[in-house]
Amino acid sequence: DIEMTQSPDSLAVSLGERATINCKSSQSVLNSSNNKNYLAWYQQKPGQPPKLLFYWASTREFGVPDRFSGSGSGTDFTLTISSLQAEDVAVYYCQQYYSAPLTFGGGTKVEIK
Amino acid sequence: EVQLVESGGGLVQPGGSLRLSCAASGFSISDHYMDWVRLAPGKGLEWVGRTRNRGQNYLTEYAASAKGRFTISRDDSRNSVFLQVSSLKIEDTAVYYCVRWTAGAGRDWGQGTLVIVSS
Repeated sequence: DIEMTQSPDSLAVSLGERATINCKSSQSVLNSSNNKNYLAWYQQKPGQPPKLLFYWASTREFGVPDRFSGSGSGTDFTLTISSLQAEDVAVYYCQQYYSAPLTFGGGTKVEIK
Repeated sequence: EVQLVESGGGLVQPGGSLRLSCAASGFSISDHYMDWVRLAPGKGLEWVGRTRNRGQNYLTEYAASAKGRFTISRDDSRNSVFLQVSSLKIEDTAVYYCVRWTAGAGRDWGQGTLVIVSS
């Protein structure tokens, strides 16, 4: 099974400042045949289902603000919020879908400082 | 509009069983992989399992924690997916989400159904 490790567990950032979340997989999730990283990012707010932010590691889902960006390849990935807004308070998860069982990172809770 | 509506959750004693349902609308489930994901109190998201689409012969796959106790099935005529959960443990207490997988990601999620395992 591919293990996903997120860091930090929680993060407090001032409004307008940058938030960076890291995600590391125990083996590469890059498919060399199509050059795609099988990695997604989700945002989950209390009482709501998760919302897809990025897929293929860096493809922004329609409607996601461009202050969010996804990057990385192979085993190391990053979700960045360039200018934190109050509505971005949530738990963020990475998920690999390179191979079953699909696995999530442990989550990163983002709060306002 | 794509919609996924889960039902069937509730309070059950350890060792008991439940059948969770996911009614889909706005698309045909036969064309899609359908996943179940759960969120336990104070924990992170956990993938439970999936049923692949008709083109992949509806192959099912499970997390280790679900193998042997959980069974995913589907009824394309009712456009619904099911999760039979058996031999329930306290640690199976969670909100269970149904997820449509499309174009490379778990794009559409239901609101979830709560399963509480307690004596």
